[in-house]
Amino acid sequence: GESVGLHLPTLSVQEGDNSIINCAYSNSASDYFIWYKQESGKGPQFIIDIRSNMDKRQGQRVTVLLNKTVKHLSLQIAATQPGDSAVYFCAENFAGGTSYGKLTFGQGTILTVHP
Amino acid sequence: KAGVTQTPRYLIKTRGQQVTLSCSPISGHRSVSWYQQTPGQGLQFLFEYFSETQRNKGNFPGRFSGRQFSNSRSEMNVSTLELGDSALYLCASSLSAREHGYTFGSGTRLTVV
Repeated sequence: GESVGLHLPTLSVQEGDNSIINCAYSNSASDYFIWYKQESGKGPQFIIDIRSNMDKRQGQRVTVLLNKTVKHLSLQIAATQPGDSAVYFCAENFAGGTSYGKLTFGQGTILTVHP
Repeated sequence: KAGVTQTPRYLIKTRGQQVTLSCSPISGHRSVSWYQQTPGQGLQFLFEYFSETQRNKGNFPGRFSGRQFSNSRSEMNVSTLELGDSALYLCASSLSAREHGYTFGSGTRLTVV
């Protein structure tokens, strides 16, 4: 059949605003989650990770929140800058023999920051 | 510290040909994973190698294969190329994946014509 391209969600913000990017993950057994940023022509870049025994983790200008009850992740970026413009992916992994090296990625969200 | 290096960056091949892509992980990283990224399917896991052994494989046809050498460098091969194999192929390496995450290379852009 004909393949249909992914229609990525988009988020448009003004420079200096806070951004929140959401992700619903699929596997209730997943216990390790990573947020990646991908700029045009580059591979995904690690931003921050979190384990399922945590609800929140903070990095430099970024915070990840995990809600296991509803299988939801969010990435908050404080004081968003034009250089933050990229596609953001959440990825999940679970402990177990069939999970070695395997990250399951979300579809991605396009973040555009306007000066 | 050098990152994950993938070669070549760009490749154009004809249907029916085969192709080999190379990945040099970060020094000391023994786990290497491969992913295919397309606009239609997003990022999909191909396989993972650790100490020259394939530990995990995604849902791709047997035309997709890989190997890892004793220095942890990895190659993936796609035989009998199809137009649908056009994609960005990404390699990721890890020291201890669930402690330090996975570091990706910039990928090889394969175009099949």
